[in-house]
Amino acid sequence: QVQLQESGPGLVKPSETLSLTCTVSGGSISSYYWSWIRQPPGKGLEWIGYIYYSGSTNYNPSLKSRVTISVDTSKNQFSLKLSSVTAADTAVYYCARDQITMVQGVIQYYMDVWGKGTTVTVSS
Amino acid sequence: QSVLTQPPSASGTPGQRVTISCSGSSSNIGSNYVYWYQQLPGTAPKLLIYRNNQRPSGVPDRFSGSKSGTSASLAISGLRSEDEADYYCAAWDDSLSGFVVFGGGTKLTVL
Repeated sequence: QVQLQESGPGLVKPSETLSLTCTVSGGSISSYYWSWIRQPPGKGLEWIGYIYYSGSTNYNPSLKSRVTISVDTSKNQFSLKLSSVTAADTAVYYCARDQITMVQGVIQYYMDVWGKGTTVTVSS
Repeated sequence: QSVLTQPPSASGTPGQRVTISCSGSSSNIGSNYVYWYQQLPGTAPKLLIYRNNQRPSGVPDRFSGSKSGTSASLAISGLRSEDEADYYCAAWDDSLSGFVVFGGGTKLTVL
């Protein structure tokens, strides 16, 4: 079955850019949407954004000015870049596979496969 | 400050029925489906309920979801110790260009 694995630096300095990659195994990245979600220590989940395998994206309005999500279908990977980070960006970052369809004229959107998550700390 | 509102905690004894509420607005729960995720300690979230009241394969029928207007609920019957976890509601929000919103999460304690 499909498995997701996040990778990237665990420590990022303030004002720098956080970069993470999610590798998809056991299935193709094509024909699906893929998202990033984060969870600050002791807090709830926050959706960052999604990308379709074709490259179209949609971001959380609260993070839109700092977020870029990209996809590399040849490597079966998608990536997250978050610029100008501060301590508030310290979190566990998850990648996930999305199921997005229209059901009776209503958007159905949920994450059905999740990676284990990777901890990113923003500190000098 | 989460867009969807959940109680921070809930509790029950083994065998009891517990409900967790999730309140939103017309742009999210009021016009879209609700989803519930279970996060066991130290693990990634797992889809528990989709499309308001549907259970993915493998989720016990002790878990059920409902929606009315701009609110939704997750019910867990026959509570078991392994149900102790954080539970999050989620929905698509139609405002701006559309995005996913989560509740702040409810920590369920099995006494």
